[in-house]
Amino acid sequence: NAGVTQTPKFQVLKTGQSMTLQCAQDMNHNSMYWYRQDPGMGLRLIYYSASEGTTDKGEVPNGYNVSRLNKREFSLRLESAAPSQTSVYFCASSEAGRTDTQYFGPGTRLTVL
Amino acid sequence: KNEVEQSPQNLTAQEGEFITINCSYSVGISALHWLQQHPGGGIVSLFMLSSGKKKHGRLIATINIQEKHSSLHITASHPRDSAVYICAVGGGADGLTFGKGTHLIIQP
Repeated sequence: NAGVTQTPKFQVLKTGQSMTLQCAQDMNHNSMYWYRQDPGMGLRLIYYSASEGTTDKGEVPNGYNVSRLNKREFSLRLESAAPSQTSVYFCASSEAGRTDTQYFGPGTRLTVL
Repeated sequence: KNEVEQSPQNLTAQEGEFITINCSYSVGISALHWLQQHPGGGIVSLFMLSSGKKKHGRLIATINIQEKHSSLHITASHPRDSAVYICAVGGGADGLTFGKGTHLIIQP
């Protein structure tokens, strides 16, 4: 089992460029999440998906869109990147609800110039 | 929204010492998690607690629901325990709220 995988691991964008962060899990989990981690702050939820075909906003959704392509995959898209989106992005999944144990991917370090 | 406070923010100790990291939260919860993040980024779940105490190897986690407080203890600490330890609390519609983490360094 690979667990939760994310691509890419590192990315540098210029302001205004777009990109998609990919996430996949092989644990047959129902729920998937996208977080961002910034220095001096706790992990903050961007979007989550409780099941295939459903997505909901988290604490900091502005500037992002998501797609739950199937049960395995949950992608995060930045349509027009801004320097404020420089962060480390983590995808996670859990078998059940949002307070269940979550399994994290290795993270994507994104820099927006 | 729940407020999660961890203390200390930074802790440096010598190998073999007993380590305690604290977590307090403001609103009643259904579950509390302790996670570990090593340099390089990977985040691993250590414990999920709703009451009492759990033990895994040299790690012990306790929770006092009435006092809205949890502690993570490490016995016989080792340099490989050096990491950021994160407390997260969950309940209701808000999902998990994460603390800022405690940065632990164990010196040989």
